[in-house]
This record gives sequence, C-alpha cells and structure tokens, in this order.
Amino acid sequence: EIVLTQSPGTLSLSPGERATLSCRASQSITSFYLAWYQQKPGQAPRLLISGTSIRATGIPDRFSGSGSGTDFTLTISRLEPEDFAVYYCQQYGSSPLTFGPGTKVDIK
Amino acid sequence: QVQLQQWGAGLLKPSETLSLTCAVYGESFSNYYWSWIRQPPGKGLQWIGEINHSGSTDYNPSLKSRVSISIDTSNNQFSLNLRFVTAADTAVYYCAKGPCTTTTCSGIDPWGQGTLVTVSS
Repeated sequence: EIVLTQSPGTLSLSPGERATLSCRASQSITSFYLAWYQQKPGQAPRLLISGTSIRATGIPDRFSGSGSGTDFTLTISRLEPEDFAVYYCQQYGSSPLTFGPGTKVDIK
Repeated sequence: QVQLQQWGAGLLKPSETLSLTCAVYGESFSNYYWSWIRQPPGKGLQWIGEINHSGSTDYNPSLKSRVSISIDTSNNQFSLNLRFVTAADTAVYYCAKGPCTTTTCSGIDPWGQGTLVTVSS
C-alpha cells in the first residue's frame, strides 16, 4: 500500500497570501495518478487537480499542482476567503487507492 | 452534468449489515468505474472499493472480508454492503465517479452528498 504523508498539518495564512502544501509518497507514483481535493466542513470533497497538474473543470487558475516521483505540491497563489478548507492528496495508480491525512488551511 | 444521489440506513447496531445505494444521473453508466469512500467523524478519507459496469470489483484489503459492491445497470445504480459492522465503521459514506474510465484515469469526481452511518448499541 502506498502511504501518503502531507505537510504541514495546519497552515495558518491570511487572504492574499500564497499557500504551499506538500504531499510525499512512500514509493514513486506515476505523475498521471496523483490528485488533490478540497473539502469544506459538512461538504463532500471536490476534485481540484488530477494527473499532478491538470485542473478540474471550473477550478480557478490560482490553484496549481506540480511534482514527480514521491514529492508533490499544491500551490494556491493568492488565497481567497473561500479557499480556507482541508486539502487531501490521493494516489490512484496502485490499489488500494490511498489518501493523505490532509492539510488544513485556516485563517491567520 | 453527472449527479449522484445516495441513500441507506443511518443507524445500525453492532454486527448488522450496512447497505447503501447510489443512483447516477446524467452520465453513461457504462464508461466509468464507481467508488465508495468513507470518512470517520473528524478524520480523513478511506477508499472502500470500486466497481465497473461489467461488475468487476476491487476492494481495500482492510475491508475486503466484509465488503461487497454490486451494480444494477438497468437502473444506473450501484450499492455497498458492509457486514458485521462495529463502532469503528461509524463514518460518512460517499459514493463517487471514478477515478478511472475504461481507458484513462482522472481523479474522483463528482461525489455524492454523503450518508452518515452510525453504529451504536
């Protein structure tokens, strides 16, 4: 099973600041199979990015993904008030599919 | 635009069977894999398993002995059964599309609204 580790656990930032979230895998992942999700309280997760860097339909371009091998990054260039949420990375190239524990982005 | 609507019992006693169903609207059922994911209160996400239109399944090994996912292509629905539940199975259960089609993969999207299932005596 591929274990995903996310850091930091919590990121406290102000609107307008840049957020950099990390996801590290216990073994190499083909870039095609790495996704990021956003979850707000009481809501289902929402797909932001698949294939490491491909934004899902309707996702603003302030969200970007990068990385390869075992290290991947989600960047939010300028935080908007609606971006404060929990973010999960996920690998879907190897069964069982696994999620990271999440990074909470909260308001400083 | 594809939409998923799920339903099922929300309160179970230990040793009972959890049963949830998810209906798919607005999408060709046959082109995709369909997943179940759960999230214990205040915790992270766990993939339970998936099924495709032909009934081929894949399960998380941690649940494989108790779980079964089935499909009803005539009604565009798929279902989850989890046997012998305990308090540790208390979670919000989501149905979802993906992450793969018959030819490619692009993440899990969209997700159902979620169903809170509580296991308590």
